[in-house]
Amino acid sequence: GAGVSQSPRYKVAKRGQDVALRCDPISGHVSLFWYQQALGQGPEFLTYFQNEAQLDKSGLPSDRFFAERPEGSVSTLKIQRTQQEDSAVYLCASSLGTDRNTIYFGEGSWLTVV
Amino acid sequence: KQEVTQIPAALSVPEGENLVLNCSFTDSAIYNLQWFRQDPGKGLTSLLLIQSSQREQTSGRLNASLDKSSGRSTLYIAASQPGDSATYLCAATNQAGTALIFGKGTTLSVSS
Repeated sequence: GAGVSQSPRYKVAKRGQDVALRCDPISGHVSLFWYQQALGQGPEFLTYFQNEAQLDKSGLPSDRFFAERPEGSVSTLKIQRTQQEDSAVYLCASSLGTDRNTIYFGEGSWLTVV
Repeated sequence: KQEVTQIPAALSVPEGENLVLNCSFTDSAIYNLQWFRQDPGKGLTSLLLIQSSQREQTSGRLNASLDKSSGRSTLYIAASQPGDSATYLCAATNQAGTALIFGKGTTLSVSS
């Protein structure tokens, strides 16, 4: 596709529910990132993939958060047993190579936990 | 731990004014520094990227500078327009290149 695509755009989950957020990066992009952005804050790093390898997951806030990219393209961020503090926008980004250059962001998945 | 701070948090200017947005970071061991724009309800758009070995980058009316030794970057916007109204985010890339560390942003409003 022309850009990074994320789905769903909006998700309301009841506390305790599991959610899965999908990211379709730009075709051919090797690097994929997930960020969490709370209202009024800058994005905070969650995890980084290079192809299918998850090279950095230091930003995942708890073991309820899990991300995968099994075939090196589409990625899924899963949040188990959601809590109210998980309410945020989850942003996915991709870049062509591993040379830490221009990063392209999707429009985000807005998660509200009630 | 890298911390990125942006000042001011919000800025309102009349159309046509030149302005400067400030960004500071605590750890000078960065791979690069990037400036992004975020419109309400949207994702981030990359504006300028400065490699750690560079001092500045320019794109149209935008100029970004980087001073690693002092841990500072500035984004200069010339002849501001109402369409420039958005939140501007500064982000430092860690040396491993695996993460961007963002500031909280400066929300700019340009009135016509």
